[in-house]
Amino acid sequence: NAGVMQNPRHLVRRRGQEARLRCSPMKGHSHVYWYRQLPEEGLKFMVYLQKENIIDESGMPKERFSAEFPKEGPSILRIQQVVRGDSAAYFCASSPQVTSWAYNSPLHFGNGTRLTVT
Amino acid sequence: KQEVTQIPAALSVPEGENLVLNCSFTDSAIYNLQWFRQDPGKGLTSLLLIQSSQREQTSGRLNASLDKSSGRSTLYIAASQPGDSATYLCAVYPQGAQKLVFGQGTRLTINP
Repeated sequence: NAGVMQNPRHLVRRRGQEARLRCSPMKGHSHVYWYRQLPEEGLKFMVYLQKENIIDESGMPKERFSAEFPKEGPSILRIQQVVRGDSAAYFCASSPQVTSWAYNSPLHFGNGTRLTVT
Repeated sequence: KQEVTQIPAALSVPEGENLVLNCSFTDSAIYNLQWFRQDPGKGLTSLLLIQSSQREQTSGRLNASLDKSSGRSTLYIAASQPGDSATYLCAVYPQGAQKLVFGQGTRLTINP
């Protein structure tokens, strides 16, 4: 039973290019969270999605960043025109539909995608 | 707005010692508090989850306590080993907000 799968593990982009990060949730999970971790910092919430719907994007930068979770396929975090400040580790986590179960069970994270902007 | 603080930011102790990591949060309206471990360049591993109605949880040499009214949690590690070296992250699940809020972590080094 595979956990949360993220790819690529490492991604190098030049300034101005686009970065696409993928997250496949655990089997049976319909909700995905994206977090960003800057060097030597904790994880900062970015966006919470269910299939075909953005539930909370309060942590997303207003420009250049977008996320989707289509009916079929993985969730995608897209960063357009990357800058050096976008260099970070991006983590994805998944959960079933939010119920009392979700509040009392640990959130499972993927191994992250480490983005380096040169 | 919920904020989570972890003290100390870094800790180095000799092998075999018992140690305590601290976590504080500003709003006591939470569903649960979770402790994670993160190894360098790796993802997060869930260690312990304490529901808001609970006072503590134990797993092996780890014990986590929760005092919701004072906004504090501690992670106690008994008989530390070099393999315990990692960053430990505390996170709360606030009521009304469907997301975890993380502290900045404590980087722990256990010296052989």
